[in-house]
Amino acid sequence: DGGITQSPKYLFRKEGQNVTLSCEQNLNHDAMYWYRQDPGQGLRLIYYSQIVNDFQKGDIAEGYSVSREKKESFPLTVTSAQKNPTAFYLCASNPSSYNSPLHFGNGTRLTVT
Amino acid sequence: GIQVEQSPPDLILQEGANSTLRCNFSDSVNNLQWFHQNPWGQLINLFYIPSGTKQNGRLSATTVATERYSLLYISSSQTTDSGVYFCAVMYSGGGADGLTFGKGTHLIIQP
Repeated sequence: DGGITQSPKYLFRKEGQNVTLSCEQNLNHDAMYWYRQDPGQGLRLIYYSQIVNDFQKGDIAEGYSVSREKKESFPLTVTSAQKNPTAFYLCASNPSSYNSPLHFGNGTRLTVT
Repeated sequence: GIQVEQSPPDLILQEGANSTLRCNFSDSVNNLQWFHQNPWGQLINLFYIPSGTKQNGRLSATTVATERYSLLYISSSQTTDSGVYFCAVMYSGGGADGLTFGKGTHLIIQP
């Protein structure tokens, strides 16, 4: 089945450690996105990539980094510079078009203590 | 950037009732989607509706792009309809830089 796979579902880290969240899609979509959701809030855009080897900062990119070496994969690294990393992280993708719906993975819940 | 406002923020209904959720946005859009987030956090894509009207079973949606709003209708509510409903838009005047989300409507359907 085509879809977006995020792993792991739950992730626990100690403060000061970098952590990488995985996002893989087999939909052959060119564009991929990372969003963050805090309790009781909507989603906010962290980074997006329209094509391999290219990505752009979203609204809240500070403390995060990404790479897009393969079309299928868009990993997100939460660095120790991110002041409030505990959140729910969602990955999405869509074809390389402005006028097409985004499809979301099931998310990774990150807890940093 | 573009602003998205959803109303009401919270809605409690009895099973079988109908409801209307509203999404207002501040600028022209070329993408508008409605999502249902279930208790496990999964975002279910309900409608892709930058303009016009669509129906899917008990759910329907209408977007009036010229007046910058969209409505989501839920008829004959069931307890499984509970959750948070998000409206998200993409500004048509900029790059394809993802959707901007509203804060959501938290819907509770009581048996």
